[in-house]
Amino acid sequence: GAVVSQHPSWVICKSGTSVKIECRSLDFQATTMFWYRQFPKQSLMLMATSNEGSKATYEQGVEKDKFLINHASLTLSTLTVTSAHPEDSSFYICSARGGLYGYTFGSGTRLTVV
Amino acid sequence: SQQGEEDPQALSIQEGENATMNCSYKTSINNLQWYRQNSGRGLVHLILIRSNEREKHSGRLRVTLDTSKKSSSLLITASRAADTASYFCAAKHGAGNQFYFGTGTSLTVIP
Repeated sequence: GAVVSQHPSWVICKSGTSVKIECRSLDFQATTMFWYRQFPKQSLMLMATSNEGSKATYEQGVEKDKFLINHASLTLSTLTVTSAHPEDSSFYICSARGGLYGYTFGSGTRLTVV
Repeated sequence: SQQGEEDPQALSIQEGENATMNCSYKTSINNLQWYRQNSGRGLVHLILIRSNEREKHSGRLRVTLDTSKKSSSLLITASRAADTASYFCAAKHGAGNQFYFGTGTSLTVIP
């Protein structure tokens, strides 16, 4: 079945630094990928839609200059959290359009900014 | 916000009992999916129901959809301790590719 690999699974970084999270579709091509953020004990909030070869579409309230998304190939989308602050600490999950049920999710990245 | 609502927010039952979770959404959907998430982990797809379907079964799972009430329910029968997790509904609206997740139900099954 379709697999989406997300790395790293967890990362701790210092405040003010940038962190890159990768989302790869392993056995299918994904022209569209999605990035979600999840705070503890809360639901997933869609941050942005990433389209291969074009600019990402951000949901209202999401700072595009802070959360840089690059979808340079049909199998890879990256989310870079720039100048991270403790309030950016969260669980970030990607999903790719493809697979048996139409959409396949990565295993998530736990970001802790100290 | 397109986010749906789920209830209850938390549910605690004894092993062997049935668990029912409800999801309501705001605008018309193409389909609705249910996912399971173990603490700190990614999402596992459970079942998809299309807007023209009213009920679907998969093993111990039963999902219903009432488009007139904009609501769906997930029933887990004969629950097991391993069913302990958070359960989310996710609605796909209109022509877009996005899913909007419900607020989730945290299920605890007591052995």
